[in-house]
Amino acid sequence: QSVLTQPPSVSAASGQKVTISCSGSSSNIGNNYVSWYQQLPGTAPKLLIYDTDKRPSGIPDRFSGSKSGTSATLGITGLQTGDEADYFCGAWDRSLGAGVFGTGTKVSVL
Amino acid sequence: QVQLVQSGSELKKPGASVKVSCKASGYILTSYVMSWVRQVPGQGLEWMGWINTKTGNPTYAQGFTGRFVFSLDTSASTAYLQISSLKAEDTAVYYCARLPNVVVTALHFDLWGQGSLVTVSS
Repeated sequence: QSVLTQPPSVSAASGQKVTISCSGSSSNIGNNYVSWYQQLPGTAPKLLIYDTDKRPSGIPDRFSGSKSGTSATLGITGLQTGDEADYFCGAWDRSLGAGVFGTGTKVSVL
Repeated sequence: QVQLVQSGSELKKPGASVKVSCKASGYILTSYVMSWVRQVPGQGLEWMGWINTKTGNPTYAQGFTGRFVFSLDTSASTAYLQISSLKAEDTAVYYCARLPNVVVTALHFDLWGQGSLVTVSS
């Protein structure tokens, strides 16, 4: 059972912006960095954001990450059809002594 | 090209064992810790644990102790996941994923294998 909670789905028109929330606790998001992954249909997850707000080389600045308290947010601007995928947040949970992931959010472009 | 290439799909009967391989290329296996992540079809990601590729010391997440074993063949630049006494609920895609650093508070996976589907069915 996932420790981090995400909305099941979000959608917006092409070119618009979406935000995906990831709710946790002081054991995970509240005191650790957050990462975000994009999983296109039938493929492996891909790192989008690490250390809460950093983008790996090659990830466009349309993707951004932030955190406030025990919640994190992934933002996607200029939404494209190629962004249709599942998105997962992740963090270390110090109480569990384990890595944890969010429940996942499906992004649809209308 | 830096990549992790995993072994193919497996169909196993309950009670059997399976060994999934993850070959690192384009970088030195022992330079990074390797994790394993499970994804039941249509569901989320579960962190299974990691293996210190320098020492071979594994760490297993709760729920992945006993029947799950992480191992290495450093001469072949390959990490392995072995699952014994397979059950139907082990049916999932198993990913190997590289950790770029060992700072747990900044846990993240920068490189993923393509995944290996293990199906357990009689």
